[in-house]
Amino acid sequence: EVQLLEAGGGLVQPGGSLRLSCGASGFTFGTHAMSWVRQAPGKGLEWVSFISGSSSTTLYADSVKGRFTISRDNSKNTVYLQMNSLRAEDTAIYHCAATDYYFGKWGQGTLVAVSS
Amino acid sequence: DIQMTQSPSSLSASVGDRVTITCRASQGISNFLAWYQQKPGKAPKLLLYEASRLEAGVPSRFSGSGSGTDFALTISSLQPEDFATYYCHQYYNTPPWTFGQGTKVEIK
Repeated sequence: EVQLLEAGGGLVQPGGSLRLSCGASGFTFGTHAMSWVRQAPGKGLEWVSFISGSSSTTLYADSVKGRFTISRDNSKNTVYLQMNSLRAEDTAIYHCAATDYYFGKWGQGTLVAVSS
Repeated sequence: DIQMTQSPSSLSASVGDRVTITCRASQGISNFLAWYQQKPGKAPKLLLYEASRLEAGVPSRFSGSGSGTDFALTISSLQPEDFATYYCHQYYNTPPWTFGQGTKVEIK
């Protein structure tokens, strides 16, 4: 069974940093692209970032470009999202998702709250 | 960026009803469209991809149609476990991957 488990969320002040992680099991992690998708409270889904299986390609939404960095460690079956210069509008549940062009499997998400 | 517009934003229906949700893309996306179901506090779940292909394990009462700019998700006979929010998603022209705003299906 495919499982994705996010961790690392929490309350952070504006301008602060957080590092999210997503551990994967139940599939061949290194051959799958992965993405982060977020959902602000009571709102819809917003794609944030993408990384290919080999890490050769990384992509970002304009809203986070230059502030967020996606990476992965295939030996640990884990994908990361380093978030710097956080803003109130980054407050959301952050889901990781296995990416086969569409998002085949999702984790439950981890809540990031940016507030002073 | 390709904008995805769903309608309606919400609907009320009864168990056993046939329900249709529509999704329109701001430009042609061939059949590169997926549908997801999300229940409160849960992760989104893939229902269909390539507009009409049913994901493994998804009940056959769910079906999808369309190509180009206009798509539909149909639930042939609404079940209690189907009350949820549904999102369409285009993966034709990426980045960015974009979603519709969601359709909440509520109990009448």
